[in-house]
Amino acid sequence: DVKVTQSSRYLVKRTGEKVFLECVQDMDHENMFWYRQDPGLGLRLIYFSYDVKMKEKGDIPEGYSVSREKKERFSLILESASTNQTSMYLCASSLPDSGNTIYFGEGSWLTVV
Amino acid sequence: TQLLEQSPQFLSIQEGENLTVYCNSSSVFSSLQWYRQEPGEGPVLLVTVVTGGEVKKLKRLTFQFGDARKDSSLHITAAQPGDTGLYLCAGPPGRTYKYIFGTGTRLKVLA
Repeated sequence: DVKVTQSSRYLVKRTGEKVFLECVQDMDHENMFWYRQDPGLGLRLIYFSYDVKMKEKGDIPEGYSVSREKKERFSLILESASTNQTSMYLCASSLPDSGNTIYFGEGSWLTVV
Repeated sequence: TQLLEQSPQFLSIQEGENLTVYCNSSSVFSSLQWYRQEPGEGPVLLVTVVTGGEVKKLKRLTFQFGDARKDSSLHITAAQPGDTGLYLCAGPPGRTYKYIFGTGTRLKVLA
C-alpha cells in the first residue's frame, strides 16, 4: 500500500517561530510535493522536488523553504511563521513520469497565533 | 493560466439519487486523477484515467476521460451518505510535474 506520512497532524505556533513540517514516503518515489489548501482557493503548490537535493518553486513559495536530504523525506520550513500561513498543509509524492498519480498524506493543520 | 473547472461546486442530494460531476479544461492532460477528500483529511485517490475516451468503473462510480483528453466526468449511481465529501480532479497539463487541481465539488448525500 502507498504510504505518505506527515509527522504532525495538528500544530499551534506563535508568530515569528520557525516551523518544520516533515513528510516521509515509503514508495521510493522521486517526486515529492508540498501544497497548502485553503477554503475558496483550493490546493496550491508551494514547492516540489524531483530528486534528492533538487527543488523547484511552485506557485506560492514566498515565506517557505524546503529540504530534501534523503529520497524518502521532504521537509517544509516556515522560517518565521505568520498568521497568514495558518492553513492545511498537504505532502504528496509520485513517480517521475508526468502522467503518474500523486499520492497524498493525511495533512497537517497549522495554526499560527 | 491553466485551469481545471469543476461543476457543480456544491451538490446536496438524497440517498439513492444519481449525480454527475464535470471537470473541464482548455488544456490537454496526459492523465487525470479523481480524488475524494473528507474534512480534516488528505485527498484519497479514486482513479486515474489515461487514454482519451477511457471509461473506468469503481463499484457505483463511473469515470470517463474525454476523447480529446481535456475533460472528465464522474458519475455516481444510487448515492449513499458515505459518498459525502469533496471531489477533486487533478492532472499534469502537457508534460510537466506541476499538477493542477480542480476547483472541487462538495457533495452531501442526505439519508
